[in-house]
Amino acid sequence: AQSVTQPDIHITVSEGASLELRCNYSYGATPYLFWYVQSPGQGLQLLLKYFSGDTLVQGIKGFEAEFKRSQSSFNLRKPSVHWSDAAEYFCAVGLQGGGFKTIFGAGTRLFVKA
Amino acid sequence: EAGVAQSPRYKIIEKRQSVAFWCNPISGHATLYWYQQILGQGPKLLIQFQNNGVVDDSQLPKDRFSAERLKGVDSTLKIQPAKLEDSAVYLCASSPFRASAPYEQYFGPGTRLTVT
Repeated sequence: AQSVTQPDIHITVSEGASLELRCNYSYGATPYLFWYVQSPGQGLQLLLKYFSGDTLVQGIKGFEAEFKRSQSSFNLRKPSVHWSDAAEYFCAVGLQGGGFKTIFGAGTRLFVKA
Repeated sequence: EAGVAQSPRYKIIEKRQSVAFWCNPISGHATLYWYQQILGQGPKLLIQFQNNGVVDDSQLPKDRFSAERLKGVDSTLKIQPAKLEDSAVYLCASSPFRASAPYEQYFGPGTRLTVT
């Protein structure tokens, strides 16, 4: 069955430090891949997406992600974290078949320390 | 452009009571989704509409949950009767029917339901 794994439940980084959030998926074909961010009390906001083409994709707020087919991974990165980046981050896979279905990982909560 | 609107934002009910949530998607978006997000988990799809037709409701507990999207715009999600395990945030999302971006979804702020 298709699944999305985010191995880290929470991560703490210092402001100004680099960030990498891990995401692995299980799917037979190349999926559509997404990263969403959820701030407290807010809905999810799309950070970036990968459909095809260049495996390094740029998103909003200075985030980027790299699709690695051989590792079934789609890790999210940011070179310098700001305190406002503290939030929950969700990796998601979009699948065809019937309707357009999106499967979300369990999320990684990011804490930023001064 | 206005975002996805949901109401109420918070709701507290006792078990066995009923509750309804409302969602107004972004204007022109043909696809509408309802998700359940239990604390500490990612959103789980409950039901997906394409215009006013149901595309996927395989994970909707149909003995107690129902949803409709009359006229292909607004949608309501109802729970009757509620159970303690229904405590969660209920998210509504919409998506434009566009082949180049079939899975990009726009989310509302959610309704936090507490069942006591």
